[in-house]
Amino acid sequence: SQQGEEDPQALSIQEGENATMNCSYKTSINNLQWYRQNSGRGLVHLILIRSNEREKHSGRLRVTLDTSKKSSSLLITASRAADTASYFCATDALVSQGGSEKLVFGKGTKLTVNP
Amino acid sequence: DGGITQSPKYLFRKEGQNVTLSCEQNLNHDAMYWYRQDPGQGLRLIYYSQIVNDFQKGDIAEGYSVSREKKESFPLTVTSAQKNPTAFYLCASSYRGPYSNQPQHFGDGTRLSIL
Repeated sequence: SQQGEEDPQALSIQEGENATMNCSYKTSINNLQWYRQNSGRGLVHLILIRSNEREKHSGRLRVTLDTSKKSSSLLITASRAADTASYFCATDALVSQGGSEKLVFGKGTKLTVNP
Repeated sequence: DGGITQSPKYLFRKEGQNVTLSCEQNLNHDAMYWYRQDPGQGLRLIYYSQIVNDFQKGDIAEGYSVSREKKESFPLTVTSAQKNPTAFYLCASSYRGPYSNQPQHFGDGTRLSIL
């Protein structure tokens, strides 16, 4: 089963507005990552936040992590039409064999920024 | 420029046919991964490899096979045993683990359809 669940599933805003996407997860994590996917393309890594961090910034992106609530949020400020994409959170999880870790992706939030 | 190249971009499979998807990276990454993405869904892990000549099954390995004879290459074969192969396949790579702490770099995917 998927570890992370993004909310909302879809979001439509006007250019210049802020966009907030949320991710909830079920079990303890070491870190959480956010990725972006343009239609028909591969994923692009945006930001990684560790379990001992509460907030992280990268340009117009702000990510928060609340381990007590098992949730994270991605804020895109002053959105642009070029921000139109799907955004995924990914959490680490132990695989059932070998004790190794893997990334588990949510279903994503589809963001549309209207010009 | 370093990156991951997936080919072909589109692939069609006939009934009973095996098809092979190519993934090549020149990022000098040790770890490589194959994911399957269905419409409106997140990514599901098929196989992953941490080093040459070693690979492990992911969550949905049935009907798929891989090899890792070179560090740069991680081809995926979709066998005739995979009854529902229509999906978008993504290859990724990262520095070696614990790889959940490492950002993954993705190719632009191969879209596989059944004829």
